[in-house]
Order: sequence, then C-alpha cells, then structure tokens
Amino acid sequence: DAGVTQSPTHLIKTRGQHVTLRCSPISGHKSVSWYQQVLGQGPQFIFQYYEKEERGRGNFPDRFSARQFPNYSSELNVNALLLGDSALYLCASSLADRGNTIYFGEGSWLTVV
Amino acid sequence: QQPVQSPQAVILREGEDAVINCSSSKALYSVHWYRQKHGEAPVFLMILLKGGEQKGHEKISASFNEKKQQSSLYLTASQLSYSGTYFCGTGVSGGYQKVTFGIGTKLQVIP
Repeated sequence: DAGVTQSPTHLIKTRGQHVTLRCSPISGHKSVSWYQQVLGQGPQFIFQYYEKEERGRGNFPDRFSARQFPNYSSELNVNALLLGDSALYLCASSLADRGNTIYFGEGSWLTVV
Repeated sequence: QQPVQSPQAVILREGEDAVINCSSSKALYSVHWYRQKHGEAPVFLMILLKGGEQKGHEKISASFNEKKQQSSLYLTASQLSYSGTYFCGTGVSGGYQKVTFGIGTKLQVIP
C-alpha cells in the first residue's frame, strides 16, 4: 500500500512569494495534519483536518492556510513567504481524528531566498 | 508546551542498550515515538495510549507512566541502523489530534 505522498519534494521560492504544498494520505485515512520542522527542532504542529473540516490549528500566522478535499487529500498554502519559513513541511495522515498513530510523508523541503 | 527529552545525545557501541526519557508537564493521552535519519522524514516506532494500550516496533519497547506524565523508550542490542534522532511526541485529551514534539535525542551507534 502506498504511504503518505507529498509534492513537490524540494522547492526554492523568493521572499514575498506564495507556495502550495500537496499531500495524499494513506488510503482509508481521513485525517491529515501538517507540521513544520526547522533544522535542529522537532516537528511543530500547523493544522489538522478531519473529514474536510479544520479540527485544530497551531501557533502559526494567518499567512498559513490549508484545506482538505473530498478525496481526503490536502493542500497547505503559505503566503508572503519569509526567510524563516524555510523548513521541511511534513504531512501526516491517521485513521481518525485523535488517539491514533500519525504516519509522516517524506516531506517538502522549502527554501526561501 | 513541548515535552522534555533526555539525554540530548548518546553514543553507543553495537550491542549496547539505551534508554531515552520523555516527560511532560501536562496530563497525557498519548505518547508517540519516532526516529528520524538525516535528510529523511520521521518514521513511526511506537504509540502508547492512556490506559495501557501499546503498539509498536518488534525490537523496541516503551513504557508510559500516566501518573508522572513520563515515557521511556528502550533500545536493546543496538544496531548501526538505530542511529538517528529520536523524537517523543505527546498528545493531550481534546477534540483533535495534535502531537507536540520534543527537540529530540541524537543517538549514534558505532561499531
């Protein structure tokens, strides 16, 4: 079975630009979460979506937004990119909305220059 | 508030055992353990749920002390492939699944 798939794997953007990251969860999983991981730190929670509804939001500015589609895939959008947004963005899927294992995709490496 | 992991780094020789600890100031519903190798995504090792249910890896075990909000990951007979950064993630009771990760424990296994 395919795991969590993310695209693109690597990208370089300029300050002020916008980026869209995409994620397809494991088949049968209805929950998708997004995490940001900067060098030397653990993943930090950004959003969780379950059944197409936002269930939780971390301490990130409004420049960050996300959505989940009827097929449970998800997009993370970041507007007005800053140098500090450079990080590994991880998508994680799980069966239900709480108390389950979250499985990470390979991530999208974003570099803002 | 992120969980606190100890030690921050450890070097082992092949075959040695290691324990990584994780503690939280909040009442925990779940504890999640992951291993991340350089340049790769975190890989699931173990989840421990309040009430004692445990699911995980065949050669790695863990404990969860709900009263003390602490968990420990036990690596026995370490192999070179165990090298990486180990993250503890904690979940609290609530309406959604947010896992809060510590800064990790860097483990290096040498021949």
